[in-house]
Amino acid sequence: DAGVIQSPRHEVTEMGQEVTLRCKPISGHDYLFWYRQTMMRGLELLIYFNNNVPIDDSGMPEDRFSAKMPNASFSTLKIQPSEPRDSAVYFCASSLWTGGGTGELFFGEGSRLTVL
Amino acid sequence: AQKVTQAQTEISVVEKEDVTLDCVYETRDTTYYLFWYKQPPSGELVFLIRRNSFDEQNEISGRYSWNFQKSTSSFNFTITASQVVDSAVYFCALSEAGTASKLTFGTGTRLQVTL
Repeated sequence: DAGVIQSPRHEVTEMGQEVTLRCKPISGHDYLFWYRQTMMRGLELLIYFNNNVPIDDSGMPEDRFSAKMPNASFSTLKIQPSEPRDSAVYFCASSLWTGGGTGELFFGEGSRLTVL
Repeated sequence: AQKVTQAQTEISVVEKEDVTLDCVYETRDTTYYLFWYKQPPSGELVFLIRRNSFDEQNEISGRYSWNFQKSTSSFNFTITASQVVDSAVYFCALSEAGTASKLTFGTGTRLQVTL
C-alpha cells in the first residue's frame, strides 16, 4: 500500500513568492495533519482535518498560511507570500480513527522548503 | 496544557551498548496516549509504539523496550545492544483523549551509535 505522499520533496523559492505543498493521505484515513519541523521549534502541529473539515488551525502561524482539503485524497498547504523564516520541513500525516482511541500517525517523507 | 520533555539532547554510545532515552510528560487528562517515533537521517518519521494511559505494562519488541510509569509521568525507551542503524533522532509524543491523534512532540533525542 502506498503511504502518505508529499510533493515537492524540495522547494527553493525567493521571498515573496507563493508556495504550495501537496499531500495525498493514505486511502481510507479520515484524519490529516500538517506539521512543521525546524531546529528552533521542533515539530509543531499547524492544522488538522477530519473528513476533509478543518478542526483545529490554531497552530497556523499567521494569515500567510492557509490549508485546504477539497477531498479525501488531497490536501494543500499554501504560503503566500513566503518569508525566509518559513524555511522548514513540512510533514503531512494521516491516521484512521478506529474507536479505540488515538491512532498511529503515518507521516509522509516531508517537503523541505527553503525561502531565500 | 500538555507537554513532553526529552531532557537528553544528544547521546553517543558504542555499538552493543544499551541506551535509555528518557521521556517525561505533563497532562491533566486521565486518558491519554504516548508514542515514540524514530527519525533516521533520511528524514521520515517512523512509528515505533503507542501506549494508552491505562496500560502500564512494559513492552518489549526485539531489542526495543519501553517502560511506562504513571507515578513519575515517564515513558522511557531502551535499546539493548545498540547498532549503528539505530542512529537517529527519537521523538516522544503525547495525545490527549478526544484529540484524535493530535500529537504534541518532545524536542527529540539524537542517538549516535558508533563502531
